[in-house]
Amino acid sequence: GENVEQHPSTLSVQEGDSAVIKCTYSDSASNYFPWYKQELGKRPQLIIDIRSNVGEKKDQRIAVTLNKTAKHFSLHITETQPEDSAVYFCASHDFNKFYFGSGTKLNVKP
Amino acid sequence: DAEITQSPRHKITETGRQVTLACHQTWNHNNMFWYRQDLGHGLRLIHYSYGVQDTNKGEVSDGYSVSRSNTEDLPLTLESAASSQTSVYFCASSEGGPGEQYFGPGTRLTVT
Repeated sequence: GENVEQHPSTLSVQEGDSAVIKCTYSDSASNYFPWYKQELGKRPQLIIDIRSNVGEKKDQRIAVTLNKTAKHFSLHITETQPEDSAVYFCASHDFNKFYFGSGTKLNVKP
Repeated sequence: DAEITQSPRHKITETGRQVTLACHQTWNHNNMFWYRQDLGHGLRLIHYSYGVQDTNKGEVSDGYSVSRSNTEDLPLTLESAASSQTSVYFCASSEGGPGEQYFGPGTRLTVT
């Protein structure tokens, strides 16, 4: 089955700096790659997603890139703010199931 | 507005007891999922369903069961609760195919 690996497990940045989180997947049939943000004690919520026929997608300060050949995708957050502090999960979608990475705890220091 | 709810939000139970966690969605989604979330493991799939009367095992299904008698509900049952099942449980739903998965608010289960 699909295997999604996520790095780093923790990331600490200064406010205003950029943050990058990387994920790899194993199944070339995976066709959809969402990113979820989970604040402490809350449910995961979708922040951005990308489909397999697209290489990059941006939404204000966040962007996702996908390299199908290398089977990896990344989340980029620019101009980080303290409210970006949370746990971020990548996921891949294959045959109606979602496979999640183990999460990255992002800490943005003011 | 459509939503997905879980109950109870917090539950403390004793080892060996049967526990059922409820999940209800009003999105009219065919696909529903149960995950458990433990520190360092992210979200691990317990069971999932693609429609009424359909249930499938996920990667950590031992000790859990589900049933799907209608589109809106997918209750999760712990047959005989164990301390290793102390966790936060999330229910989720999605339309068929690649697209957003909506999560419930979670149930924090403690087995003593």
